[in-house]
Amino acid sequence: DAKTTQPTSMDCAEGRAANLPCNHSTISGNEYVYWYRQIHSQGPQYIIHGLKNNETNEMASLIITEDRKSSTLILPHATLRDTAVYYCIVRPSNTGNQFYFGTGTSLTVIP
Amino acid sequence: GAVVSQHPSRVICKSGTSVKIECRSLDFQATTMFWYRQFPKQSLMLMATSNEGSKATYEQGVEKDKFLINHASLTLSTLTVTSAHPEDSSFYICSASGGAEDTQYFGPGTRLTVL
Repeated sequence: DAKTTQPTSMDCAEGRAANLPCNHSTISGNEYVYWYRQIHSQGPQYIIHGLKNNETNEMASLIITEDRKSSTLILPHATLRDTAVYYCIVRPSNTGNQFYFGTGTSLTVIP
Repeated sequence: GAVVSQHPSRVICKSGTSVKIECRSLDFQATTMFWYRQFPKQSLMLMATSNEGSKATYEQGVEKDKFLINHASLTLSTLTVTSAHPEDSSFYICSASGGAEDTQYFGPGTRLTVL
């Protein structure tokens, strides 16, 4: 079962930062937070994941609260190609553990 | 990131026929592969988990005799939809994990339409 809640949809102006929240209040100590996105009619694309420290890569930054009950994915300068459904998933970091997808957030970047 | 391919990308078949979908990890060895199904405007639903050389584990409500999964090598898993019916029409997506990382990497998906 999905263990996360996300807003159904969000808009963001092109060039601005997109901040996508995720609540995971029942997260366990050994569970990581993963973010994927899915552009229409494509397979999900990995973005970033983290345990308790903030993480940054070439695509995005992940901010995890100190109590780990929520996190925020930040796309620093949103472009039209970032329009997609963004999924926040929690799971233990052991190979073979399943991902259960929630409904995600549909992000629309507006010109 | 790692690359996962699926073949075919799109298939149309008649009701009652069987369809095989291939999932390949191109640049890493996938100890575990996963199969998902996605209906229009819905999220991905996990169907089954397959480990190389062993039988797949199916999620509750997924018929193992209808959705046959084979994971014969560390780079290839196949999903066969047997005796397909129109209600099996969906977007089928595989993912793979393994190696030094435990992140799942997804294929581009296969659009199945059963007439």
